[in-house]
Amino acid sequence: SQQGEEDPQALSIQEGENATMNCSYKTSINNLQWYRQNSGRGLVHLILIRSNEREKHSGRLRVTLDTSKKSSSLLITASRAADTASYFCATGETSGSRLTFGEGTQLTVNP
Amino acid sequence: GAVVSQHPSWVICKSGTSVKIECRSLDFQATTMFWYRQFPKQSLMLMATSNEGSKATYEQGVEKDKFLINHASLTLSTLTVTSAHPEDSSFYICSAPEAGETQYFGPGTRLLVL
Repeated sequence: SQQGEEDPQALSIQEGENATMNCSYKTSINNLQWYRQNSGRGLVHLILIRSNEREKHSGRLRVTLDTSKKSSSLLITASRAADTASYFCATGETSGSRLTFGEGTQLTVNP
Repeated sequence: GAVVSQHPSWVICKSGTSVKIECRSLDFQATTMFWYRQFPKQSLMLMATSNEGSKATYEQGVEKDKFLINHASLTLSTLTVTSAHPEDSSFYICSAPEAGETQYFGPGTRLLVL
């Protein structure tokens, strides 16, 4: 079953703008991971944040985690057309355990 | 990051045949691998956990006799869809945790059953 929800379900922005996607989950977690999926392709790992961390950065990506609210956000700054993809959050209840995925956000970045 | 491969990348088969999909961790060992299924425009649904040296663990509603899993070595897990039917057509994707945390996904296998 799906762990939680992501919003928005779809997001369309102009190149150069920032994109923020949110993810909520229901159970206690050990880690939360964000992935990107281009249409019909596999998942590319973006960033992992542990339950004892509040924020992580990687290039143009910033991820926050609020365990009290059971939510996470992914911010992509200065978006590019190549960022167009579906973005999923996935939670792991223990280290190395199976992941439970959110519903995903379809991001479209218009040139 | 670590690399996980899948083979084949796509397969078309007739109804009633069996299809085997391989998942390999190329540069790390994985005692556990996971198999997911994804329908168009939907998220990933976990089907089963593949365990090296022991039986796979299936999620509720997934038929173990329909989806046979064998974790043959520390770098290889196979998923066999037996007696495939059109409703089994889907995108199958595997993952493996590297160093116990980050999970890396294979590129997926698109199955079309005619």
